[in-house]
Amino acid sequence: AQSVTQPDIHITVSEGASLELRCNYSYGATPYLFWYVQSPGQGLQLLLKYFSGDTLVQGIKGFEAEFKRSQSSFNLRKPSVHWSDAAEYFCAVGALTSGTYKYIFGTGTRLKVLA
Amino acid sequence: SQTIHQWPATLVQPVGSPLSLECTVEGTSNPNLYWYRQAAGRGLQLLFYSVGIGQISSEVPQNLSASRPQDRQFILSSKKLLLSDSGFYLCAWSVVRVAVNGYTFGSGTRLTVV
Repeated sequence: AQSVTQPDIHITVSEGASLELRCNYSYGATPYLFWYVQSPGQGLQLLLKYFSGDTLVQGIKGFEAEFKRSQSSFNLRKPSVHWSDAAEYFCAVGALTSGTYKYIFGTGTRLKVLA
Repeated sequence: SQTIHQWPATLVQPVGSPLSLECTVEGTSNPNLYWYRQAAGRGLQLLFYSVGIGQISSEVPQNLSASRPQDRQFILSSKKLLLSDSGFYLCAWSVVRVAVNGYTFGSGTRLTVV
């Protein structure tokens, strides 16, 4: 069965430091992978997506993610974190189930940024 | 441009009362529509999805139901709320090729059952 694992529930980094949020997936075919960000009390906003081609994808707000098939991973990175990046981040895999695509989400990683 | 509206933003309801949350999409036709629930400290759980008017698929057995009376309207309901129904409810839509294009989420409804 398809699944997504985000092993880090909470991460704290200092402003200006680099960031890497981990995501591992389980899916039998070529995955469609996404990262979303959720600010407190808000809906989810798409940061970036991967479905083919270059394994390093660029997203909004200075984020990037790298797809590594051999490791079944799609980690999110940012070279220098800003205080406004504090939020919850969700990794998701698009799965075809009963003829309909649905997303399976990880449990999320809450990012705290220290001034 | 496409927009998604979800209301109310916040709701406090007593146990045993009914529920109706509404979601509407503008600027697109025949979208796939989804209801997710996000409980405190947990990820997003898909509750229902719909690929067309009157077509509802339920992902998990629960106290809730969904309906799609119009192409761009998706309603989440309950006849009698339980404490365990508390959470953050998100509506989302996608075009048919959701695998490539992704979801667009509404801003969510915070439901507290007391």
